[in-house]
Amino acid sequence: AQSVTQLGSHVSVSEGALVLLRCNYSSSVPPYLFWYVQYPNQGLQLLLKYTSAATLVKGINGFEAEFKKSETSFHLTKPSAHMSDAAEYFCAASGGTSYGKLTFGQGTILTVHP
Amino acid sequence: DAGVTQSPTHLIKTRGQQVTLRCSPKSGHDTVSWYQQALGQGPQFIFQYYEEEERQRGNFPDRFSGHQFPNYSSELNVNALLLGDSALYLCASSFGAGELFFGEGSRLTVL
Repeated sequence: AQSVTQLGSHVSVSEGALVLLRCNYSSSVPPYLFWYVQYPNQGLQLLLKYTSAATLVKGINGFEAEFKKSETSFHLTKPSAHMSDAAEYFCAASGGTSYGKLTFGQGTILTVHP
Repeated sequence: DAGVTQSPTHLIKTRGQQVTLRCSPKSGHDTVSWYQQALGQGPQFIFQYYEEEERQRGNFPDRFSGHQFPNYSSELNVNALLLGDSALYLCASSFGAGELFFGEGSRLTVL
């Protein structure tokens, strides 16, 4: 069965510092991969997605992620954190090369301090 | 253009009761998926409806059932509520197997 692992349930950075949120998936066939952001008491907003095209994917709000098949990873980065980036981030994988059913990781809470 | 709308936003039930949650998909979308997000966890897939039929189902008991109407809106029903059913229930819509758009969820508390 497909699984998604996010390393680190909490990440804390200073404003202006690099943001790195880690995600690994388990699948013999590279699935579609996604990063979502969730602000308190809100639904999920798509940040970016990998759908077997370019391995470096750029998303909204300055975030990007790199798909590495050899490492089965899809880590999320942002060069300079902003206070408004504080939220919970979820990595997700589809069941195959389509959007379909998503399997989510446990989430990483990002805290940004001045 | 309205996005995915869910109702109610919050509700409280007691153990053993039944609950119905509603979802209106984004305009132009014909597929609705439901997810359960327990506190501190990632969302878990419950099921997906397309053409008024359940197309895929996650690992949830039969107490969880759903329906899709001809206008593509959907309901999630949970019978015989347990304390562990307390969660945020998210609805997502798509056009076929396309990108998912999520609503803001219905937060269910079971006492």
